[in-house]
Amino acid sequence: QVQLVQSGAEVKKPGASVKVSCKASGYTLTRYAMHWVRQAPGQRLEWMGWINTGNGNTQYTQKLQGRVTISRDTSASTAYMELSSLRSEDTALYYCARARSGSSPYDYWGQGTLVTVSS
Amino acid sequence: SYELTQPPSVSVSPGQTATIPCSGDKLGDIFSHWYQQKPGQSPILVIYQDNKRPSGIPERFSGSNSGNTATLTISGTQAVDEADYYCQAWDSSTGGVFGGGTKLTVL
Repeated sequence: QVQLVQSGAEVKKPGASVKVSCKASGYTLTRYAMHWVRQAPGQRLEWMGWINTGNGNTQYTQKLQGRVTISRDTSASTAYMELSSLRSEDTALYYCARARSGSSPYDYWGQGTLVTVSS
Repeated sequence: SYELTQPPSVSVSPGQTATIPCSGDKLGDIFSHWYQQKPGQSPILVIYQDNKRPSGIPERFSGSNSGNTATLTISGTQAVDEADYYCQAWDSSTGGVFGGGTKLTVL
């Protein structure tokens, strides 16, 4: 069965970086795109970006351009999301989500990784 | 940038029909998708490409999309359907877009 298992919760200081992993099992990573979505406490879902896991091409939301990097390690069947220059407003639950392509719906989601930014 | 708008809350009595709208400029020209999220859980896809149901989603969930509005309809609403519902679409320049979410209360 398809599973996306994310890394554990992180606590970071303002200005630091965080890298969240998403290990895929039950399917071949490179046959599906991987998107990243975050949700601040009590807030809406916010799309962050996606990666074509086949060729490594990425697209990011303009709001986070320059601070977010999505990558993958095909040998490890794992996708990554790194966010730099962290601010308190980046405190959120971060999800990876599988899709057939950039514009397709997200049919499987990871369990979420809580990132807390606090001094 | 592209935006999707949903009402913050919708209430429905058990057994009745709940409708949740999602509005966006010319939304009917692109595909809309709907996700259900219960407290402390990851979202799950309940409707994709306007009106298709993934395997395992009950038949009481349906969707439509025309003009500037997509609509999620839950017929014979049950207590287990109480959750937050998010519409989502893809805009070629913005990327993925979510609505603000609608809290469905079954009372």
